[in-house]
Amino acid sequence: GESVGLHLPTLSVQEGDNSIINCAYSNSASDYFIWYKQESGKGPQFIIDIRSNMDKRQGQRVTVLLNKTVKHLSLQIAATQPGDSAVYFCAALGGGNYQLIWGAGTKLIIKP
Amino acid sequence: DAGVIQSPRHEVTEMGQEVTLRCKPISGHNSLFWYRQTMMRGLELLIYFNNNVPIDDSGMPEDRFSAKMPNASFSTLKIQPSEPRDSAVYFCASGSTVNNSPLHFGNGTRLTVT
Repeated sequence: GESVGLHLPTLSVQEGDNSIINCAYSNSASDYFIWYKQESGKGPQFIIDIRSNMDKRQGQRVTVLLNKTVKHLSLQIAATQPGDSAVYFCAALGGGNYQLIWGAGTKLIIKP
Repeated sequence: DAGVIQSPRHEVTEMGQEVTLRCKPISGHNSLFWYRQTMMRGLELLIYFNNNVPIDDSGMPEDRFSAKMPNASFSTLKIQPSEPRDSAVYFCASGSTVNNSPLHFGNGTRLTVT
């Protein structure tokens, strides 16, 4: 039968509103987490990272929250702008492993 | 810093031809990764180099794929012979295991094999 491609979750947000993109991870040994932004025709671009000894980290207009109890990560983008339109990936590293484990990605669409 | 530089940006070739993709990592980075991205499978790790030495090539799909890193500033990914199912975007990424910096990606090579 036909194989099915990856279905990217989509988040539509009004320009100016805040965006929250969620990610769940499975390996409790993961101790380093990264959010990447991928625009069309470009490679993933580093946005912000957080280590497991923290539960919150802020950057410019972005905040990452880590809840190790439920193995959940979120990226908050304040005052979303048209330039924020992209696919956002979370990635996790840890357990002595060099290999990043990637989430499937979330497509962020900005409504004018 | 120019970032990770990949060439060519686009490659269209016929089935059976040899394809060579090139990557210049960020100066000072000691780890280099080749990834492949498709709509069907997302981002797949093909091979990982540390200090120019291949550490893990378990993601390389077949013997048709090979990668080299002759020095700290250059790496190649070669496909010979190429097949239509190799069509994808190939990314190179570099990082530092010394200070645990996040991976920085190039803008990829879009490969189309007809």
